[in-house]
Amino acid sequence: GQQVMQIPQYQHVQEGEDFTTYCNSSTTLSNIQWYKQRPGGHPVFLIQLVKSGEVKKQKRLTFQFGEAKKNSSLHITATQTTDVGTYFCAGVSSNTGKLIFGQGTTLQVKP
Amino acid sequence: GAGVSQTPSNKVTEKGKYVELRCDPISGHTALYWYRQSLGQGPEFLIYFQGTGAADDSGLPNDRFFAVRPEGSVSTLKIQRTERGDSAVYLCASSRDTRETQYFGPGTRLLVL
Repeated sequence: GQQVMQIPQYQHVQEGEDFTTYCNSSTTLSNIQWYKQRPGGHPVFLIQLVKSGEVKKQKRLTFQFGEAKKNSSLHITATQTTDVGTYFCAGVSSNTGKLIFGQGTTLQVKP
Repeated sequence: GAGVSQTPSNKVTEKGKYVELRCDPISGHTALYWYRQSLGQGPEFLIYFQGTGAADDSGLPNDRFFAVRPEGSVSTLKIQRTERGDSAVYLCASSRDTRETQYFGPGTRLLVL
């Protein structure tokens, strides 16, 4: 079945440093979504990418969708302590909309 | 407006018992999804409802798991003869329609002793 892999599993950075998490799918994705989950919380939708090679920005966050629609990345510029949490990518089933999540990357930011 | 709500927020049960977990989706959302999240893992798809019918139940791990959505709104996930391996956070999400943005509830933390 479809699998979504995400690296790294953990990342510790100093406040102000940049952070990147990478997502790879075993199959071509119709689209990909990114979620953030704070400790003890539930996944919160950040963004959806649909087009091959698409790049979207949300303030300090930059999301990219690969040309082959099998990989994606999330880059955070100048991290802040409020960025702490686990970031998940999720491939979307074109038929049912069900999400196939990666394992997530947990970001810790040292002030 | 109100988001997705789930009850109970925590449930502790003994091995072999039956449990029911409830999800109240956002009003008007026709699509409803159940996921299970184990510690340190991403959410894992269980079942998807479009209206009252289970359109995809391919993620249910075995026949001890069952879910219903009789009136196309509230859904109940039912687990029979619980096992320790069922311990996890059970998340519910709803969306206006299939493939639209999913909004997650706070989850039910199930602990099977």
